[in-house]
Amino acid sequence: SQKIEQNSEALNIQEGKTATLTCNYTNYSPAYLQWYRQDPGRGPVFLLLIRENEKEKRKERLKVTFDTTLKQSLFHITASQPADSATYLCALCTTSGTYKYIFGTGTRLKVLA
Amino acid sequence: DTAVSQTPKYLVTQMGNDKSIKCEQNLGHDTMYWYKQDSKKFLKIMFSYNNKELIINETVPNRFSPKSPDKAHLNLHINSLELGDSAVYFCASSQDLTGGQPQHFGDGTRLSIL
Repeated sequence: SQKIEQNSEALNIQEGKTATLTCNYTNYSPAYLQWYRQDPGRGPVFLLLIRENEKEKRKERLKVTFDTTLKQSLFHITASQPADSATYLCALCTTSGTYKYIFGTGTRLKVLA
Repeated sequence: DTAVSQTPKYLVTQMGNDKSIKCEQNLGHDTMYWYKQDSKKFLKIMFSYNNKELIINETVPNRFSPKSPDKAHLNLHINSLELGDSAVYFCASSQDLTGGQPQHFGDGTRLSIL
């Protein structure tokens, strides 16, 4: 069966460290993968997109990698700050007929001051 | 200026009632979506429309009926509400149907069935 798993439900790290979040999938061949941030009581906010033929994408303190062999994406936040505390969602774009995004269950990140 | 706005923000109603949620986007996007986020925070697509035409219709009870009067609006009507319909419903939009487009989400409608 098709599955998307994000590593831990919750991740606590110390301010200034690098947070690494994992998104693993099975039985998909995604053309695109996106990462979103969701704060309590708010809708998800788009952060980064990576294509299947790209290995890495960066935006300021954020970095995403995409390994289609391992069926895994890693999302890194360097020099993390308490304001980075939120839930982070990965979303795979499938192309069976039409483009459709399947979301993972999210990882709740807490950056401790 | 809110890009994707949903109304109402909260909806508390009795089982068996019919209710509607409205969504509007001012981004000029062609494609709009409805998602359901359950108590475990799992976000699942329900419908997508492109230029007022239904594109994706996931396995959703036919008590849920989306309507797109124009490409800036996508409403969701729910008949005969059931306890299991309690969730947060998110509207989203994207530039078009091509897979590489970011989705812009509203802040959700929290539906509680008593």
